[in-house]
Amino acid sequence: NAGVTQTPKFRILKIGQSMTLQCTQDMNHNYMYWYRQDPGMGLKLIYYSVGAGITDKGEVPNGYNVSRSTTEDFPLRLELAAPSQTSVYFCASSWDRVTGELFFGEGSRLTVL
Amino acid sequence: QKEVEQDPGPLSVPEGAIVSLNCTYSNSAFQYFMWYRQYSRKGPELLMYTYSSGNKEDGRFTAQVDKSSKYISLFIRDSQPSDSATYLCAMSAGNTGKLIFGQGTTLQVKP
Repeated sequence: NAGVTQTPKFRILKIGQSMTLQCTQDMNHNYMYWYRQDPGMGLKLIYYSVGAGITDKGEVPNGYNVSRSTTEDFPLRLELAAPSQTSVYFCASSWDRVTGELFFGEGSRLTVL
Repeated sequence: QKEVEQDPGPLSVPEGAIVSLNCTYSNSAFQYFMWYRQYSRKGPELLMYTYSSGNKEDGRFTAQVDKSSKYISLFIRDSQPSDSATYLCAMSAGNTGKLIFGQGTTLQVKP
């Protein structure tokens, strides 16, 4: 049972480039989330999804896009990368939208130069 | 004012010490309170979960919630070097599925 799998683990981008962070979960969870974690800043919610075909913005959605075509996959797209998007990105999933028990992936470290 | 405030530390204690980690919050709608533990270069994992006010104990860990003071705590008894990690408090109003996280407190337990 792999849980939540994120790829790539590390990536360096040039300003203006685009890329997609992949996230897959094998727990059949309906709810999936993307967070970013900056040093000393905790976790900020970028986008979330309550099921296939349904997505919504979190606290810091600007510069990102998501899609949810299947229950398992929730990719995060960065368009026109900026240095402010240098961060560690975590994907998470949950079976319950109320209690907050999230299962996290190991993170994707992105540097924009 | 941030919705959730947490002292980032770092906090360094000797092995065997009792550790107290705390968060304050401003949103009275929060009902679900969690503590996540995050080891270096890993994703957070749920450590403790509490609904509304009260205490919850799990082995060496005790979570306390005081909604009247908008204050939550995590106590670690007989701390071990393996407890060295960042501890993140998180809370939710329950009707949105969105967690609000504190900044995280970095704890180091020295042998």
